[in-house]
Amino acid sequence: DARVTQTPRHKVTEMGQEVTMRCQPILGHNTVFWYRQTMMQGLELLAYFRNRAPLDDSGMPKDRFSAEMPDATLATLKIQPSEPRDSAVYFCASGLVGTPGEQYFGPGTRLTVT
Amino acid sequence: QKEVEQNSGPLSVPEGAIASLNCTYSDRGSQSFFWYRQYSGKSPELIMSIYSNGDKEDGRFTAQLNKASQYVSLLIRDSQPSDSATYLCAAEGGSQGNLIFGKGTKLSVKP
Repeated sequence: DARVTQTPRHKVTEMGQEVTMRCQPILGHNTVFWYRQTMMQGLELLAYFRNRAPLDDSGMPKDRFSAEMPDATLATLKIQPSEPRDSAVYFCASGLVGTPGEQYFGPGTRLTVT
Repeated sequence: QKEVEQNSGPLSVPEGAIASLNCTYSDRGSQSFFWYRQYSGKSPELIMSIYSNGDKEDGRFTAQLNKASQYVSLLIRDSQPSDSATYLCAAEGGSQGNLIFGKGTKLSVKP
């Protein structure tokens, strides 16, 4: 069945290292969202794309985070350099322009930065 | 700053009871509202959407919206232990289609 996939599922890295997370949206979906979830802040929107074009990345720390969609089947979120405060679960979600509230979430990447 | 507020809980109800989850939102321009359920260690999944004032029922779930009070609620009738999860309330944040999520209410249904 159709689902959003994310890799890796878990990542442990040292402070200062580069981290790349990947997402494959559901085939045919034309919006992609990146979220970060922590106990303290809840679910925060980092960036989103419509038809591969970035619409808003105001939720991302610009100096270290970047998000791209090189093609319709791949979205990436990169952190360079990583810091301990980046430790969180990162979710990718996809949907359709016509039903903006219906977002389908991937399983998430649990990132730990030591 | 557009916000969605929820009581973090935990909300504990006995099996078979009605669970009532509430949220408020700050942006009067929001038109669409959603409830997502998130089991521990899993990703959120959409369970209800509501767009107009009043009630919307789907099986054991009823979503209620009052735009004048900027208030959204979710009722779960005949609560089951399998309903134990965190429930996230979300409001559409703008014309671009993004959602603003509350921090969620943790529900525990005791057998």
